[in-house]
Amino acid sequence: QVHLVQSGAEMKKPGSSVKVSCKASGGTFNSHTISWVRQAPGQGLEWMGRVIPIPGIANYAQEFQGRVTITADKSTSTAYLELSSLRSEDTAVYYCARAGSVTANRPFDYWGQGTLVTVSS
Amino acid sequence: QSALTQPASVSGSPGQSITISCTGTSSDVGGHNYVSWYQQHPGKAPKLIIYDVTNRPSGVSNRFSGSKSGNTASLTISGLQAEDEADYYCSSYTSSSTPVFGGGTKLTVL
Repeated sequence: QVHLVQSGAEMKKPGSSVKVSCKASGGTFNSHTISWVRQAPGQGLEWMGRVIPIPGIANYAQEFQGRVTITADKSTSTAYLELSSLRSEDTAVYYCARAGSVTANRPFDYWGQGTLVTVSS
Repeated sequence: QSALTQPASVSGSPGQSITISCTGTSSDVGGHNYVSWYQQHPGKAPKLIIYDVTNRPSGVSNRFSGSKSGNTASLTISGLQAEDEADYYCSSYTSSSTPVFGGGTKLTVL
């Protein structure tokens, strides 16, 4: 059984950065992309970007280019999301989600439990 | 990439059927057979219920079905049950090789 376990809630000041982790177990980490999807309070889902663990290539949604970095550590089966220059509009629950393979068109078959990031002065 | 268009809300009585639409463009829904649907209960992570337009993952009730015509995909839930009350999101692969989500539809079981 596949499990994605995310790090805990974060409270950040505007202008700072946050790094959220997502540890996978029960599957073959290197055979699937990991995406990050966020959900602002009362809002819908927004795809931020993905990483292919091997060879560690990431691509990002245009809206987040330059502010987001997604990485993967194959040795610990953990993916990371780092978001910089935080503003209040970045307050959201951040989910990691595993796709069915490394092919870009695969749906998200497993999700982490979500990490609440609150940006406030 | 603009979000796919879904109705904000739909409702139905137990036992009835409802359909949720998801409208995109020829660059996403209309151009690829890679539409998926997710169910999200309050405070929970989304759950995949339909993929590749019509396929159900193992363990998902056959009361859920998907279809597509042109640039619009649809999710139908038959035999509505109280537990179906949730938010539903469509998603499509796009010509940019990235996914895009719909704005979400809140289903109320009356």
